[in-house]
Amino acid sequence: KAGVTQTPRYLIKTRGQQVTLSCSPISGHRSVSWYQQTPGQGLQFLFEYFSETQRNKGNFPGRFSGRQFSNSRSEMNVSTLELGDSALYLCASSRTAVDEQFFGPGTRLTVL
Amino acid sequence: QKEVEQDPGPLSVPEGAIVSLNCTYSNSAFQYFMWYRQYSRKGPELLMYTYSSGNKEDGRFTAQVDKSSKYISLFIRDSQPSDSATYLCAMSFYGNNRLAFGKGNQVVVIP
Repeated sequence: KAGVTQTPRYLIKTRGQQVTLSCSPISGHRSVSWYQQTPGQGLQFLFEYFSETQRNKGNFPGRFSGRQFSNSRSEMNVSTLELGDSALYLCASSRTAVDEQFFGPGTRLTVL
Repeated sequence: QKEVEQDPGPLSVPEGAIVSLNCTYSNSAFQYFMWYRQYSRKGPELLMYTYSSGNKEDGRFTAQVDKSSKYISLFIRDSQPSDSATYLCAMSFYGNNRLAFGKGNQVVVIP
């Protein structure tokens, strides 16, 4: 069974630009969560989607948004990038709304 | 007070030693407890998942949960150089997929 895939794996952007990251969950998984990982703050929860609906949202500004499609694939978008947005963005999927979560390899975003 | 506290200090042990890691948490409403292993430049990999107090064993790994003390532990027996990684504790509330993570412990197993 294929694992969680994320594209692209690496991105370099400049301040003020916007970026879209993609996540394909494990087949049959309906929940997709996004996390930001930085050396200083560790892993922080961004938001979770289940059956195309946002169920939970972390404490991040409105520049961070996401969506989920009918095939459970998810995208997250960051607008007006700031230097502090440089991080590893991780996506995790689970079968149900309360279940073991499996992570993808992440997208490493660098903002210059 | 952070939801989940994990002393992020690195840990170096000789091959074959027992590795002991722990986390404390402040919110007694946490119901599910996990340990993830993360190799450099990779995503976290789920090692252990438990929802009750007590011990859960899987091969060389033992996860321990003490809800009364709000304390969880991970023990790695007969540690191997391939166990060198960062270990993250995580927990969630009932009915909620939001994971709260500790800062992680970098473990180095020296051959």
